[in-house]
Amino acid sequence: NAGVTQTPKFRVLKTGQSMTLLCAQDMNHEYMYWYRQDPGMGLRLIHYSVGEGTTAKGEVPDGYNVSRLKKQNFLLGLESAAPSQTSVYFCASRRSGGLYNEQFFGPGTRLTVL
Amino acid sequence: DQQVKQNSPSLSVQEGRISILNCDYTNSMFDYFLWYKKYPAEGPTFLISISSIKDKNEDGRFTVFLNKSAKHLSLHIVPSQPGDSAVYFCAASAASGTYKYIFGTGTRLKVLA
Repeated sequence: NAGVTQTPKFRVLKTGQSMTLLCAQDMNHEYMYWYRQDPGMGLRLIHYSVGEGTTAKGEVPDGYNVSRLKKQNFLLGLESAAPSQTSVYFCASRRSGGLYNEQFFGPGTRLTVL
Repeated sequence: DQQVKQNSPSLSVQEGRISILNCDYTNSMFDYFLWYKKYPAEGPTFLISISSIKDKNEDGRFTVFLNKSAKHLSLHIVPSQPGDSAVYFCAASAASGTYKYIFGTGTRLKVLA
């Protein structure tokens, strides 16, 4: 099992450009999450999904959109990138069927917006 | 408003000694807590968890203590090893809060050989 994978690993964008980050999981998990990690800020939830075709806003959703067209994939989109979106982005997934299940994280995508 | 706080950004400990990482929370609805470990250039990995019905949970060298009245939890690592050097995040969840975890800002642990 590959677990949670993220594509790409690194990306540099210019202000105003758009891009999509792809997260894939092969554990048949229902729940998927996108976080950003910034120095001194910990992990902050951007958007999450509790099942195929569903999405919801997290703590810091502005400037991002997501889609969950397939159960195994969760896409994070930046329509018009800003320097404030320079960060490390982590995707995570979790199985359903219990309130107390841990999340499994991908290796991260380091995004720089110039 | 930071609902989960880790007030020590860094901690250095000698190999073989005890490492104590602390975490405070403000939301009394939180009833499940987790600790994650993160190495550079990798995603966080689950370490240990505790439910609010317990005050202690052990897994090998790792023990998590929960003090609900103080809204405080701590992670003890005994004995500390150089391979434990990493950033540690605590996270909290509420049963009524559906499926979200709120993370702290992390503590960087350095275990000195």
